[in-house]
Amino acid sequence: DAKTTQPPSMDCAEGRAANLPCNHSTISGNEYVYWYRQIHSQGPQYIIHGLKNNETNEMASLIITEDRKSSTLILPHATLRDTAVYYCIVIGNQGGKLIFGQGTELSVKP
Amino acid sequence: DTAVSQTPKYLVTQMGNDKSIKCEQNLGHDTMYWYKQDSKKFLKIMFSYNNKELIINETVPNRFSPKSPDKAHLNLHINSLELGDSAVYFCASSQVGGLSYNEQFFGPGTRLTVL
Repeated sequence: DAKTTQPPSMDCAEGRAANLPCNHSTISGNEYVYWYRQIHSQGPQYIIHGLKNNETNEMASLIITEDRKSSTLILPHATLRDTAVYYCIVIGNQGGKLIFGQGTELSVKP
Repeated sequence: DTAVSQTPKYLVTQMGNDKSIKCEQNLGHDTMYWYKQDSKKFLKIMFSYNNKELIINETVPNRFSPKSPDKAHLNLHINSLELGDSAVYFCASSQVGGLSYNEQFFGPGTRLTVL
């Protein structure tokens, strides 16, 4: 599995966009970028995934660079409830063997 | 309705005891998983079952035995509990096949404390 690198922590003002970066320079052609988050004392929650095109859903947007070596998860209008650890995971067709790194602890502040 | 549920939410027990954690999903998924999150917050997959068949076994001590009575349930039985087993255990489920495995729905976790 490709490894990912994320900053350990980030702050964001409530109502502003939160941009969470992830480096995955060793990603292979058949691997996707997935994002999960874990709110304190809860189980992880799937957010979004993509291969090479930008993706958007009701929770977030995912921007993947053209060389696919990095990506950014964007929460367009962060709320206090978005405070969580965000995990970037690179995985292909491996039967769901998700490998969680340390993630980025996002603190949304009033 | 809770999609993935676990019982109990908290479990405190003595070293050497045997305990079980139950997991149920009502999503109609065929694949279920167990993860362990240790005190340093690292989350690691332990097992996965696909329609009651073991698919992933991540070098977990054989004191841990998953049991799947049907595809909606995956229980985790732990024998001879050790201090190092203290962690939060998460159950998850997903659809089967290709990328569907990667979109997993997690339960609320069971915090196990071994004294």
